[in-house]
Amino acid sequence: NAGVTQTPKFQVLKTGQSMTLQCAQDMNHNSMYWYRQDPGMGLRLIYYSASEGTTDKGEVPNGYNVSRLNKREFSLRLESAAPSQTSVYFCASSRQVEAFFGQGTRLTVV
Amino acid sequence: AQSVAQPEDQVNVAEGNPLTVKCTYSVSGNPYLFWYVQYPNRGLQFLLKYITGDNLVKGSYGFEAEFNKSQTSFHLKKPSALVSDSALYFCAVRGAYSGAGSYQLTFGKGTKLSVIP
Repeated sequence: NAGVTQTPKFQVLKTGQSMTLQCAQDMNHNSMYWYRQDPGMGLRLIYYSASEGTTDKGEVPNGYNVSRLNKREFSLRLESAAPSQTSVYFCASSRQVEAFFGQGTRLTVV
Repeated sequence: AQSVAQPEDQVNVAEGNPLTVKCTYSVSGNPYLFWYVQYPNRGLQFLLKYITGDNLVKGSYGFEAEFNKSQTSFHLKKPSALVSDSALYFCAVRGAYSGAGSYQLTFGKGTKLSVIP
């Protein structure tokens, strides 16, 4: 009963490095999301994908790219990491109403 | 644009007392409203939702929430708090439907609930 799985759980990057955060869901959901969580800011939507093959910008898309590889997988890429991207990143998926979240990736950019 | 306000950064309540975590929202059209809970170093867990119907919604772990359309509020409540309820609580509102089963979910900034033994 995996639900939404994110990898890695922790990552430290140097400024300017690139990396991809992976997310996979096994609930056959159409929609998938990437959020970032910062203290005092709640969760802010970075990108979302309504269905396989489509992606749209959320509230804070700058510095990120996404790929909806297939119905199960939705990846988030940082091309050139900056300290301002230090955050906890959550992937989520939904079919119609409520969203289900992964356990998060704690990313530190030094 | 839709928004959610959680006016209290922290709520402290004694174990066994009733608790309320406040939430107000702004959205076009009829709202879909949610409460999530986050325990330390964990993801968000769904607690309950309001879509339509009865204004009092019951959810997991004995929590309930009251929808008030005139006050645009969706406060989370529990009759008797437990120490294990201590966590970060998020209210969220569903945004405009954008097709193909997608929607944008907007979150409040969260309220830290501390239940004191």
